[in-house]
Amino acid sequence: QQQVKQSPQSLIVQKGGISIINCAYENTAFDYFPWYQQFPGKGPALLIAIRPDVSEKKEGRFTISFNKSAKQFSLHIMDSQPGDSATYFCAASRMDSSYKLIFGSGTRLLVRP
Amino acid sequence: KAGVTQTPRYLIKTRGQQVTLSCSPISGHRSVSWYQQTPGQGLQFLFEYFSETQRNKGNFPGRFSGRQFSNSRSEMNVSTLELGDSALYLCASSLAQSRGRETQYFGPGTRLLVL
Repeated sequence: QQQVKQSPQSLIVQKGGISIINCAYENTAFDYFPWYQQFPGKGPALLIAIRPDVSEKKEGRFTISFNKSAKQFSLHIMDSQPGDSATYFCAASRMDSSYKLIFGSGTRLLVRP
Repeated sequence: KAGVTQTPRYLIKTRGQQVTLSCSPISGHRSVSWYQQTPGQGLQFLFEYFSETQRNKGNFPGRFSGRQFSNSRSEMNVSTLELGDSALYLCASSLAQSRGRETQYFGPGTRLLVL
């Protein structure tokens, strides 16, 4: 059973535009929600993470919005750049499950110059 | 500081064989997790080790096993390989000072092809 649903599967954005990726989860016990960025041939790298006690977290051009009641969270990439072209994964975990991350299916982002 | 290293980077095996993959975590990191990444199933958690003990296990058959050594280095083993085991196997390490809330740093992975 997929516990974290991610959309869209792929996304094409013009340089300077806003990229938006959405995730929804089912397990209300999840309490840590990271986003990972993966380039071809590399392992995933943490981009930004949020806990359910805040509704928004911003780091540079990257913002996570979190809606606890709807069990949804999203990643916004402002002023998207060609260098942002990568695959993005949302994930979730429970504190009592240690470091077991449940990943979404991934979104392949292409930023056109 | 060196990142997570995984060896070998690429591996070709045939069905029925077994394979051992190695992971060296970032210096000082005590938790090591393993994930399988495939185009069809995405990133799936295999298991996590801390202080040489398996703390968590994903939904994989018993052919998948692992261990952690006293220096935190970890190995995973897959026995009786099947075609469906072809995947990128990723190792991630964490400091493990704050349970479940710390960044996991991923290695580049070992790409396994089963023929």
